[in-house]
Amino acid sequence: SQKIEQNSEALNIQEGKTATLTCNYTNYSPAYLQWYRQDPGRGPVFLLLIRENEKEKRKERLKVTFDTTLKQSLFHITASQPADSATYLCALGRDNTDKLIFGTGTRLQVFP
Amino acid sequence: DTGVSQNPRHKITKRGQNVTFRCDPISEHNRLYWYRQTLGQGPEFLTYFQNEAQLEKSRLLSDRFSAERPKGSFSTLEIQRTEQGDSAMYLCASSLGRSRNEQFFGPGTRLTVL
Repeated sequence: SQKIEQNSEALNIQEGKTATLTCNYTNYSPAYLQWYRQDPGRGPVFLLLIRENEKEKRKERLKVTFDTTLKQSLFHITASQPADSATYLCALGRDNTDKLIFGTGTRLQVFP
Repeated sequence: DTGVSQNPRHKITKRGQNVTFRCDPISEHNRLYWYRQTLGQGPEFLTYFQNEAQLEKSRLLSDRFSAERPKGSFSTLEIQRTEQGDSAMYLCASSLGRSRNEQFFGPGTRLTVL
């Protein structure tokens, strides 16, 4: 069955640095990949979508890359701020369904 | 606030009881999704609707679970004969329905089965 792996341990970085989160998948061929942010006790919030034929996508301080050969997506937050502290989830999707398959998420902590 | 509302926000029940949750999606969204999330895990897909039609249902969903969206607007998720393993956050999301579109999640209903 498909498997999606994200950094299981929390990522702690200093304010101003770039945070890089990893999403690896196996036994799946997604047409697109999405990244969501989730704060404690709340539902996920959509951040970015990248398609299989795109290498990179940017939005403000966020950048996502998608390598279908390596079966990996990297999510970068530049000039990180304490307000960026949250859990970040990657989710895979296909064209023949709207179902999303989520990873376990990576908790990011940005300290001053 | 994404505009997707869920009620109740918390539900505590005893094992064996039935529970029902409600989701009100963003009004112009024709697709509605249910996910379940346990501590330390990502959301797990349960089912989704396009208007009133249930298009897909997870094989993990036992026959104790049923979802409806009778008029293509709000949806209900019912769990019959609850078990302790059903304790989780139940998330609802909606979208405009175009493939690859972002999903807007509600705040979730936290179920605790004693």
